[in-house]
Amino acid sequence: QVQLRESGPGLVKPSGTLSLTCGVSGGSISSGNWWSWVRQPPGKGLEWIGEIYRSGSTNYNPSLKSRVSISVDTSKNQFSLNLISVTAADTAVYYCARQGSYCIDSWGQGTLVTVSS
Amino acid sequence: EIVLTQSPGTLSLSPGERASLSCRASQSAKNTYLAWYQQRPGQAPRLLIYDASSRATGIPDRFSGSGSGTDFTLTISRLEPEDFAVYYCQHYDTSPALYTFGQGTKLEIK
Repeated sequence: QVQLRESGPGLVKPSGTLSLTCGVSGGSISSGNWWSWVRQPPGKGLEWIGEIYRSGSTNYNPSLKSRVSISVDTSKNQFSLNLISVTAADTAVYYCARQGSYCIDSWGQGTLVTVSS
Repeated sequence: EIVLTQSPGTLSLSPGERASLSCRASQSAKNTYLAWYQQRPGQAPRLLIYDASSRATGIPDRFSGSGSGTDFTLTISRLEPEDFAVYYCQHYDTSPALYTFGQGTKLEIK
């Protein structure tokens, strides 16, 4: 059973860059799945950030497209998120996830990232 | 972009009762692209239903999904204590690729 684990700083300064990595175990990131990032501000709902395929092909949420990039490192079985020019509105629990049939079938435990000086 | 509206915002029921949660799409949605998730406090979401009506691996048969077009429903036939949580519906657009979620329905113990 695939497991995903997010890692990265829990605190980022305003106007800085949020960087997270998702390590995948129990399965290969080079499988036929897409891999996603989803976030959830405290007490609020879910927002899809974007997705990546093993080839490096990406799709992003238009609301974040100008600030986000997702990359993959197949040799390390991991993928990463970068979000630039962050503000307090980017404070959220960030989840990495595996996509199944037009849905998200496996989720990491999530990591809280707070944007504050 | 399809917008999903879930109702009610909060549903108060007792264990053993039947729950019906609604998800309405702003335009007709293909069944294949509609899913439901459960999120308990402090936990990641868990996939319950995909393709509008197919149960995910390990999901009890008291959970069922139905609907088509713009109206979809998640039904829990007999509520267990562990079912009290927040539920989200989700749609996937193919062009461009985009996942959207409803705002959630909180199922609370009455």
